[in-house]
Amino acid sequence: DTAVSQTPKYLVTQMGNDKSIKCEQNLGHDTMYWYKQDSKKFLKIMFSYNNKELIINETVPNRFSPKSPDKAHLNLHINSLELGDSAVYFCASRAGDLYNTEAFFGQGTRLTVV
Amino acid sequence: QQQVKQSPQSLIVQKGGISIINCAYENTAFDYFPWYQQFPGKGPALLIAIRPDVSEKKEGRFTISFNKSAKQFSLHIMDSQPGDSATYFCAAMKTSYDKVIFGPGTSLSVIP
Repeated sequence: DTAVSQTPKYLVTQMGNDKSIKCEQNLGHDTMYWYKQDSKKFLKIMFSYNNKELIINETVPNRFSPKSPDKAHLNLHINSLELGDSAVYFCASRAGDLYNTEAFFGQGTRLTVV
Repeated sequence: QQQVKQSPQSLIVQKGGISIINCAYENTAFDYFPWYQQFPGKGPALLIAIRPDVSEKKEGRFTISFNKSAKQFSLHIMDSQPGDSATYFCAAMKTSYDKVIFGPGTSLSVIP
C-alpha cells in the first residue's frame, strides 16, 4: 500500500507545453512538499503546504503552480515548460508536528523537456 | 549559499569496511539532523536522525556522531554491504520552520 504516490513516473514533453504532476498521500499527514532533484542529484525544496495552505515558496518561477484540493493531495502544474525544467520531481509528506519529523517521499516523476 | 555541506561526493568501500560521510552546517537554529538513503529510481527514505542534545545515535550498523560546537555531524556505516550502495544525503531542519535542507549527497559503492 503506497504511502506517497505520484503520477506519472515518467513525463516527456516539448518546450512550451503545460503539464501536471499529481501527488497523493494516504498517511493522514498535514504537510506536503515538492522537491526538485537535478542531474547532479541535488535536492531542493520548491513548496511546502500545511493543511492546504502554502507555507514555503522557495523563489520558484511562477510558471510552477502547486494546488492542494485537500490535505491528501498536492499537485504541481507547470506552464510553458523550458529545457531547464528537466529533473526528477519528488512529492513528500510528513505529520507536521514538531516531533514527527520524518518526511516520506514518493518515487519521483522524471520530467524530460525536449 | 550551501547551508549544509557534505563530503565526500563519492565513496568506494570494500565489503565489511567502514563507510564515513561527513557533513557541516551553518545555521545554529537547526534542531533536527536526518540522514536519507536513496536507491536509483526511488525517492529518499529516512535512515537515521539525531537531535543536537545528544552526541551519538546508533541503529544497527548505522551511527550518527554529532559535534554541536563544531557544527558537524557524520554517518558511519559499519560492516558495509553491497546492499548499502546508494546515495546518502545528510540534512538539517529547523522543526518550527518546517523546511528540510539537504546536503549535496554522497554516492556510496560497496564492492565485494
